[in-house]
Amino acid sequence: DIQMTQSPSTLSASIGDRVTITCRASQSISPSLAWYQQRPGKAPKLLIYQASTLERGVPSRFSGSDSWTEFTLTITSLQPDDFATYYCQQYSSLPITFGQGTRLQI
Amino acid sequence: EVQLLESGGGLVQPGRSLRLTCTASGLTFDDFAMYWVRQSPGKGLEWVSGINLNGGVTAYANSVRGRFIISRDNAKNSVFLQMNGLRAEDTAVYFCAKGHYYDNSDPLDAFDFWGHGAMVTVSS
Repeated sequence: DIQMTQSPSTLSASIGDRVTITCRASQSISPSLAWYQQRPGKAPKLLIYQASTLERGVPSRFSGSDSWTEFTLTITSLQPDDFATYYCQQYSSLPITFGQGTRLQI
Repeated sequence: EVQLLESGGGLVQPGRSLRLTCTASGLTFDDFAMYWVRQSPGKGLEWVSGINLNGGVTAYANSVRGRFIISRDNAKNSVFLQMNGLRAEDTAVYFCAKGHYYDNSDPLDAFDFWGHGAMVTVSS
């Protein structure tokens, strides 16, 4: 199985900050990687797929990039709604696997 | 607008069975693979199972293979998860999710729409 390791587990930031979350795959998966945002008590929301393609309706302050087995989610100019938990997911091979999540808090 | 509605969750004793149903609307259902993802209380996301657009290809997480069965009825816009031999560690919110890619013959996808989830509690 492909292991997805996210860092950091928790990230503290302020409104207007720029933050980066990293996801490392145990083997090559590029570009079959997605990023999700999950608010408490809600279903996850797709932000980015194919490592860097923004899902329709997602603000442009979200962006993704990849470098072989290391992937990053960057959020510029943090807004109040952005404080949530973020997950990466690989869909290159079965079983589909998620990272353990990054909690973005104020 | 795409909507996914899960039903069938509840409290069940260890070793018993439960069947989840996800009914979709607002899409051409048989154009997309469908999936189940679960989240134990306070924990992260775990992919459980996937089924391709015509039901001919299915896939399972190691943790549920041999106990859970995924199926779909395209005439009813529904996907099902039959859960047998339930264990305490299966306690979770179970989300139904739609595959992102059109006409994907393999259950490998990002998930662009999710249901609100169905709670399954396995306890004596």
